[in-house]
Amino acid sequence: AQKVTQAQTEISVVEKEDVTLDCVYETRDTTYYLFWYKQPPSGELVFLIRRNSFDEQNEISGRYSWNFQKSTSSFNFTITASQVVDSAVYFCALNLGGCNDYKLSFGAGTTVTVRA
Amino acid sequence: NAGVTQTPKFQVLKTGQSMTLQCAQDMNHEYMSWYRQDPGMGLRLIHYSVGAGITDQGEVPNGYNVSRSTTEDFPLRLLSAAPSQTSVYFCASSYEAGWPTEAFFGQGTRLTVV
Repeated sequence: AQKVTQAQTEISVVEKEDVTLDCVYETRDTTYYLFWYKQPPSGELVFLIRRNSFDEQNEISGRYSWNFQKSTSSFNFTITASQVVDSAVYFCALNLGGCNDYKLSFGAGTTVTVRA
Repeated sequence: NAGVTQTPKFQVLKTGQSMTLQCAQDMNHEYMSWYRQDPGMGLRLIHYSVGAGITDQGEVPNGYNVSRSTTEDFPLRLLSAAPSQTSVYFCASSYEAGWPTEAFFGQGTRLTVV
């Protein structure tokens, strides 16, 4: 069975600080897909990124960056120069693909609070 | 584009009552799912559908029924509400591409069972 662990329950930073969110996953499958979603205080879930198990290349999108390391089963997310608008709950999720294409296994989420 | 629309946004039920949470998507997505979100537990899959007429159970299906008569709609029925079903419910849809694609979520329904 697959599992996603986000060990950090809450992180509080001051604006402009960098913040890194940890995500560790477990699966016996060799093909899988990892996702990050953001849930701002308004409540909706917003897709941030998808990464498949064959692509360990790190990715940067503006102030967001992701570090995927299969050797440690981690897919960490860094917000650089955080802003108040980054305050949200962030979820890491795992999808095995194939016949489980519909099924996302979520971590418990990390609440990020950015103080002005 | 409306995306994924859930109704109602808020609901209070008494123990034992039944109700249906509505979910509709206008993106012609094949896959639709229902999740519940509880503090400290992330989102857990209740039921899912890979197309009209096809549904199956997820991780926490007990106490819930679903049906999918059209591509657009995927209602979730609570048969006899219990306080343990107090939660925030999210409907999601995604499209078939040969690999998992991003899920589009509705705004959520906050349900309280008293």
